[in-house]
Amino acid sequence: DIQMTQSPSSLSASVGDRVTITCRASQSISTYSNWYQQKPGKAPKLLIYAASSLQSGVPSRFGGSGSGTDFTLTISSLQPEDFATYYCQQSFSPPYTFGQGTSLEI
Amino acid sequence: QLQLQESGPGLVKPSETLSLTCTVSGGSITTSTYYWAWIRQPPGRGLEWIGDIYYNGRTYDNPSLKSRVTLSVDTSKSQFSLKLNFVTAADTAVYYCAKRSLMVRGIMKEYVFDQWGQGTLVTVSS
Repeated sequence: DIQMTQSPSSLSASVGDRVTITCRASQSISTYSNWYQQKPGKAPKLLIYAASSLQSGVPSRFGGSGSGTDFTLTISSLQPEDFATYYCQQSFSPPYTFGQGTSLEI
Repeated sequence: QLQLQESGPGLVKPSETLSLTCTVSGGSITTSTYYWAWIRQPPGRGLEWIGDIYYNGRTYDNPSLKSRVTLSVDTSKSQFSLKLNFVTAADTAVYYCAKRSLMVRGIMKEYVFDQWGQGTLVTVSS
């Protein structure tokens, strides 16, 4: 199985901050990396697919980059509604695995 | 607007079978660019892909579940289902159904979990 390792596990930030979350795959996955946002009691929501493509309806302050084994999710200017848990996920090969999550806190 | 809704018992006894159904509305379950997935999340923990089914019945599941999983689809009812045998407390989780859709970016094609049901908590306890 391909392991996806996120860092940090938790992050404290303030409204207006620029935030970066990283994800490392245990083997090369090209750009088959996706990012999801999950708020408490809710289902995850797709933010970024194919490493850097913004899902329809997602604000442009969210951005993704990377290829191979290293990927990054960046939020350019944090808004109050962005405080949530973020997961990376690989769709390169089954089983489709997720990172352990990064909790973004005020 | 396509929607997914999980249904099934919220409490299952150890060693018994967990059974859940996902009803798809507002869209076609037979769309060729969709797979239908189950994903679970133990309380306070991360996400685990359980498996996928295509509308023709072809399935893909996670080997970590050691063949305890059965996936099925009923296109006449726009439903797909999960059965997980011989459950233990470790199977206690919120279970989500999701749509895995084909996304195309240039020459890249991949399938991503772009729509999810609200999730249903299943507790394994006697």
